[in-house]
Amino acid sequence: GAGVSQSPSNKVTEKGKDVELRCDPISGHTALYWYRQSLGQGLEFLIYFQGNSAPDKSGLPSDRFSAERTGGSVSTLTIQRTQQEDSAVYLCASSLAASSGETQYFGPGTRLLVL
Amino acid sequence: GDSVTQMEGPVTLSEEAFLTINCTYTATGYPSLFWYVQYPGEGLQLLLKATKADDKGSNKGFEATYRKETTSFHLEKGSVQVSDSAVYFCALSDWGHNTDKLIFGTGTRLQVFP
Repeated sequence: GAGVSQSPSNKVTEKGKDVELRCDPISGHTALYWYRQSLGQGLEFLIYFQGNSAPDKSGLPSDRFSAERTGGSVSTLTIQRTQQEDSAVYLCASSLAASSGETQYFGPGTRLLVL
Repeated sequence: GDSVTQMEGPVTLSEEAFLTINCTYTATGYPSLFWYVQYPGEGLQLLLKATKADDKGSNKGFEATYRKETTSFHLEKGSVQVSDSAVYFCALSDWGHNTDKLIFGTGTRLQVFP
């Protein structure tokens, strides 16, 4: 079946602009995660959803970052007033349910470049 | 907090050589352990996992054993191929904190030459 999809695949924006990144999880997966991958910080967790609620937002780096999930499916990560340090690859993952040892399946990522 | 430490890369090997990539972890609970792989130009994909002590995960000739006494999950393969060239990430999730977010190591780049 279809895997996790993300859009856009690439995004170039100017410092100070807002951006929205979209994630479509695997159908039937109730848990959804956002991570980002950057040269300086490696792979770091941002936020996780179980259904439409977000029990763990501990990885969001500042209040410029927010995310929502609607209908237990699609999720949007929004970055307001982008800064150059926000440049990274933003990865979305989904799993059947949030539990110990459950496999997370990753999308191809959105590469964000802030000029 | 929980953390994962893995050996620095790049690891450079000739085809058919033996591979070991070391991974150790720190966790307050009873984590599950994972190896993810990122091939050039592709996304992250699960290579193998183990969910409790002494479990061995295996896939595509790769193996790793969950060692609680040494808090380790080293990745091994007996005979590497050029197609194994990729970046390998060790990770853990610890549901004891009511989240199964993955905590990743820094990644180890493997380069295999013919």
